[in-house]
Amino acid sequence: QKEVEQDPGPLSVPEGAIVSLNCTYSNSAFQYFMWYRQYSRKGPELLMYTYSSGNKEDGRFTAQVDKSSKYISLFIRDSQPSDSATYLCAMKNTGKLIFGQGTTLQVKP
Amino acid sequence: GAGVSQSPRYKVAKRGQDVALRCDPISGHVSLFWYQQALGQGPEFLTYFQNEAQLDKSGLPSDRFFAERPEGSVSTLKIQRTQQEDSAVYLCASSLGRMVQPQHFGDGTRLSIL
Repeated sequence: QKEVEQDPGPLSVPEGAIVSLNCTYSNSAFQYFMWYRQYSRKGPELLMYTYSSGNKEDGRFTAQVDKSSKYISLFIRDSQPSDSATYLCAMKNTGKLIFGQGTTLQVKP
Repeated sequence: GAGVSQSPRYKVAKRGQDVALRCDPISGHVSLFWYQQALGQGPEFLTYFQNEAQLDKSGLPSDRFFAERPEGSVSTLKIQRTQQEDSAVYLCASSLGRMVQPQHFGDGTRLSIL
């Protein structure tokens, strides 16, 4: 079993929908949690960076961390076609990042 | 630009050849990481430098993989005697250095072994 599990999708939603992306993990030592967005043939771009349990909001994006359940989420409000990409969750205790498989999202106009 | 720069963007090599991939981190970033991303998968850790010191190379898949960062800035990932399973995107990331700092990625080198 992988340390970080993420449903690869694909996930297809209409423009304007609320999108929910999730990851579960098994290592309770993880302290820092990130969401990256990756467009085709590009590197991962950092969207959200959180520490500990709770919520963090940045514009249309909200990240949630529930350390007791070992579960993290990313919500995208008012989704746009430009949000179509692969979303990677990542987490770490020390230096190296452990990534999920990535969820492919398509937002249809 | 101010981001992480990787070259070449694409590399095609025949099985058995040696290849070298370059990473130029964000100026002032102390920490540098290499990851390997297979098609349809998330990146997987290869190795980590703090300045010129290679502190973790636990992710390197075999002794054919070698990384260096001799002056604590530019890094090179070298793969000797390439094999088809080495085909992947190789990503470089850098961060300011403390554990709390996020990692910023380059666009990667797409390596194809024929």
